[in-house]
Amino acid sequence: AQRVTQPEKLLSVFKGAPVELKCNYSYSGSPELFWYVQYSRQRLQLLLRHISRESIKGFTADLNKGETSFHLKKPFAQEEDSAMYYCALTKAAGNKLTFGGGTRVLVKP
Amino acid sequence: DGGITQSPKYLFRKEGQNVTLSCEQNLNHDAMYWYRQDPGQGLRLIYYSQIVNDFQKGDIAEGYSVSREKKESFPLTVTSAQKNPTAFYLCASSIDPGGTGANVLTFGAGSRLTVL
Repeated sequence: AQRVTQPEKLLSVFKGAPVELKCNYSYSGSPELFWYVQYSRQRLQLLLRHISRESIKGFTADLNKGETSFHLKKPFAQEEDSAMYYCALTKAAGNKLTFGGGTRVLVKP
Repeated sequence: DGGITQSPKYLFRKEGQNVTLSCEQNLNHDAMYWYRQDPGQGLRLIYYSQIVNDFQKGDIAEGYSVSREKKESFPLTVTSAQKNPTAFYLCASSIDPGGTGANVLTFGAGSRLTVL
């Protein structure tokens, strides 16, 4: 069965510091991975997906199949990055998404 | 204003009662999903539907039921058989389950159910 683990429930960093959200998955095939974000009083929304290989709002994520990880990184955190972040995995297009437990990021001024 | 509308936003239910949560989308999306969100547990899939008149159980379907009679509607019924129904429920949709937009979910604002 596929599983997604986000080991940190809360990350607190100062503005301008780097931030890294860890995401580990268990799946033997070639998964598709996503990061979703929920800002305060907003709906959950897609942040980025690994097949796009793009940087969104300064965030990047690299799929490491050897370590089965998809960590989300930003070199200089901003206060507006404070939100709940969810890592998600699917084994194929159109298949169900499995989410991790989420990491709350708090960026302090 | 395109998107997903969930209603009601807040709902209180007595034990032993069934309750139905509404989810409507005007995005012309093919697939629709119901997730349950609990603190520390992330989102867990209850049911999903990739096409009208068809749906599949997710990871925690027990005590829930759904229907998909119209493309734009995917109501969720929380039955009295659900042991711990107090939670935040999220509906989502995605376009073309087999295409490049698959799994890019658009979410509703959620419905919070409290069982008294």
